[in-house]
Parts: sequence; structure tokens; C-alpha cells
Amino acid sequence: KNEVEQSPQNLTAQEGEFITINCSYSVGISALHWLQQHPGGGIVSLFMLSSGKKKHGRLIATINIQEKHSSLHITASHPRDSAVYICAVRGSNYQLIWGAGTKLIIKP
Amino acid sequence: EAGVTQFPSHSVIEKGQTVTLRCDPISGHDNLYWYRRVMGKEIKFLLHFVKESKQDESGMPNNRFLAERTGGTYSTLKVQPAELEDSGVYFCASSLAGMNTEAFFGQGTRLTVV
Repeated sequence: KNEVEQSPQNLTAQEGEFITINCSYSVGISALHWLQQHPGGGIVSLFMLSSGKKKHGRLIATINIQEKHSSLHITASHPRDSAVYICAVRGSNYQLIWGAGTKLIIKP
Repeated sequence: EAGVTQFPSHSVIEKGQTVTLRCDPISGHDNLYWYRRVMGKEIKFLLHFVKESKQDESGMPNNRFLAERTGGTYSTLKVQPAELEDSGVYFCASSLAGMNTEAFFGQGTRLTVV
């Protein structure tokens, strides 16, 4: 079993829908990252969380430390949001432990 | 300001050859990380530099991989000799000093060993 599990693996939705991607982890962490990878390959950091909730534009990330769970939400989704969204956690050292990613496709 | 840049963007080499990947971090970032994704698997940590020192190289798969960061600026990751299973995408990231500082990623180098 992976230390970081994401769900769903694949998600297809219509433009405008509210999107939720989940991440559960089994290790103690100092921070959790949500990252975005577009076709083309480059990775962009969206959020770094250690508690609570963060919002940036149409993106919202929440984390529940007690439950070892985080969610990434996208409001009013748009085709340009189509990408792979990856959850990664940082434990007691500097390493990031990565989830497998969620491939999101938003259809117009 | 330039972000993290990686060279080359793609490399196709034959089994047994040597390849050197380069990462130029953001200026002033002490932390530099190498990660890779091999086909169908999660991205995995390879190693971490703080300035020119290897802080953690526990993710390096074997002694065919050698990373350096001379002078604490750019880093190179050499694979010698390359094997088929080394194919994948190699990512570099950098961040300011400290553990939970925001990491900035390069575009990655796609390595194909044939």
C-alpha cells in the first residue's frame, strides 16, 4: 500500500462542475503539497499546507491532520484546468512522498 | 526571474551509453532536489542537496547514478552506463533554505534508453 493515496485516479467532468480530488496519507507529515502537471510535463506547485485551508482563485485546498486527509477543490471548472493533480507529503526529512496523481479532464 | 531550468528536455540514448542531465535552480535557492518518474509509477525522490553538500541521497537507485552540485549552483545527474529501466522523466526542484519552503520545479528531462 502506498503511503500517499489519491482518488479518483481519473476524473472527467463538464465545464462548470465543482471538482474534488482526495488525498490520504499514512505517515506523519510536516507539510502537504498539491501540484499540477500539464501535458508537456512541467510541474507547478499549487499549495503547501500544514493545517486548515488555503484558497487561490478557483482552487481551494483543505487538510485534516487528525484524519490524515486532504482535498483539492476546483470551483467553476474550465477546460484549461485539465491536467494531472498530484498530492505529495513531506515527512520528518526533506523528501517528498508522492501520490500517483489524478488525471482530470474538463470537457467544454 | 528565471525559474528552474533543466537540460536537455529530451534525451534518447542507447543502453550502455552515458547521459548527463543538468538542472539550474533559482538563484539563491540552497535546496535542490532530484526526482524521477519511471513508466507507470509515482514520482520518487532521488536526492537532496543543500548548497553543494548531499544532504540525502537515499533515493538514488544504484551506483550508476552520480549527482554533483559543484559550487552550490547548478547540479548534474549522470547515468553511466544507462539501462533500459532508467527511462523516465527526471525532475529537478529548488527552494529557499529550510524544510517547508515552497519548491519550484523544472520542466523535467524525458530520458529514453533504447
